[in-house]
Amino acid sequence: QQQVKQSPQSLIVQKGGISIINCAYENTAFDYFPWYQQFPGKGPALLIAIRPDVSEKKEGRFTISFNKSAKQFSLHIMDSQPGDSATYFCAASKAFSGYSTLTFGKGTMLLVSP
Amino acid sequence: EAGVVQSPRYKIIEKKQPVAFWCNPISGHNTLYWYLQNLGQGPELLIRYENEEAVDDSQLPKDRFSAERLKGVDSTLKIQPAELGDSAVYLCASSETGAVGELFFGEGSRLTVL
Repeated sequence: QQQVKQSPQSLIVQKGGISIINCAYENTAFDYFPWYQQFPGKGPALLIAIRPDVSEKKEGRFTISFNKSAKQFSLHIMDSQPGDSATYFCAASKAFSGYSTLTFGKGTMLLVSP
Repeated sequence: EAGVVQSPRYKIIEKKQPVAFWCNPISGHNTLYWYLQNLGQGPELLIRYENEEAVDDSQLPKDRFSAERLKGVDSTLKIQPAELGDSAVYLCASSETGAVGELFFGEGSRLTVL
């Protein structure tokens, strides 16, 4: 059972454009939703995270939008840059309930063309 | 401050041979995770430690995989015997116990089984 479903699998965006990646989850006990960024040959690194009591969180060019009733959340990358080219993973956990293990989506490979 | 350190970075072995991976977490992080990442997929939890206790190992294939975390610091993940399907990246991560926050990942150990 895939608890976190991510789409699209890959994405090509022009420099300066908006990249949008979507995730849907099934377990309503999840209470922490981070996005991780992974470059080739590196481990995933935290990009931004949100709690379900907040509908939106913005950090620089990165924004998470959260829809609790639909059990969906998305990552928006504004003014996308070639350096943003990487694989992005959404994830979920029950961190505020003391269970910190992350369940990851399958990832989205983003390519920002110059 | 040093991040999560893993070794070896790359390992090529023949099937049926044993292999071991080592992880040194961030100093002070009592929670340690081993994740498996297949090509083009998101990380999947193998085992989670709180100090030296394995608190979540339900996804660890115990017939061939074993792990230990002596003294609650470094950890070793072993596969014996390795199978072709074990070819993947083995990621180690650590976090502060009880804190809601990010998991810090190492760069991973890439295993190729021939």
